[in-house]
Amino acid sequence: NAGVMQNPRHLVRRRGQEARLRCSPMKGHSHVYWYRQLPEEGLKFMVYLQKENIIDESGMPKERFSAEFPKEGPSILRIQQVVRGDSAAYFCASSLGTGAHYEQYFGPGTRLTVT
Amino acid sequence: DAKTTQPPSMDCAEGRAANLPCNHSTISGNEYVYWYRQIHSQGPQYIIHGLKNNETNEMASLIITEDRKSSTLILPHATLRDTAVYYCIVRVGGSGNTPLVFGKGTRLSVIA
Repeated sequence: NAGVMQNPRHLVRRRGQEARLRCSPMKGHSHVYWYRQLPEEGLKFMVYLQKENIIDESGMPKERFSAEFPKEGPSILRIQQVVRGDSAAYFCASSLGTGAHYEQYFGPGTRLTVT
Repeated sequence: DAKTTQPPSMDCAEGRAANLPCNHSTISGNEYVYWYRQIHSQGPQYIIHGLKNNETNEMASLIITEDRKSSTLILPHATLRDTAVYYCIVRVGGSGNTPLVFGKGTRLSVIA
């Protein structure tokens, strides 16, 4: 049973470019979460999505960041006009259901470097 | 902000049990205790979780005190591959979205 998959694993973008990060949840999971880990810091929640719906985006920066989870295909985290401060590891997690009794399983992450 | 307090670092000899403490004195009755670990820069790995009762799985045991204000994660026979940052997380119960709130964790070093 394949785990959560993320690609690319490493992404380098120049300032002002767009970054697209993809996440395929575990088989059977329809709940996807995105977290960001800045250098030397802990993981911070960004957004929670179910198929075709954003449920909670309370941790998402108000500008330049967006997320989607279409009916078919992976979840996408999109960062427009990247700046150096966006350099971080972005982790995706998935779960079988919502609620605290459902554990979240994480992918290997995408390391974004903005030059 | 994290609702838990953990020691910043611990050492453990290879082959011995690693006991990682966590204080969560403000925990509510419907909040779960979760443990994750992060090895180097990999994605966090789920270890175990519990509500009131002690729990055990193939990776670890979770001991929760009767008043639920603290807990201990036990790795029964630590190996070098268990060197990681371990996060104790309190997660609100219910059916709504409950994101994981990561603190600074405990950096466990397993020594040969």
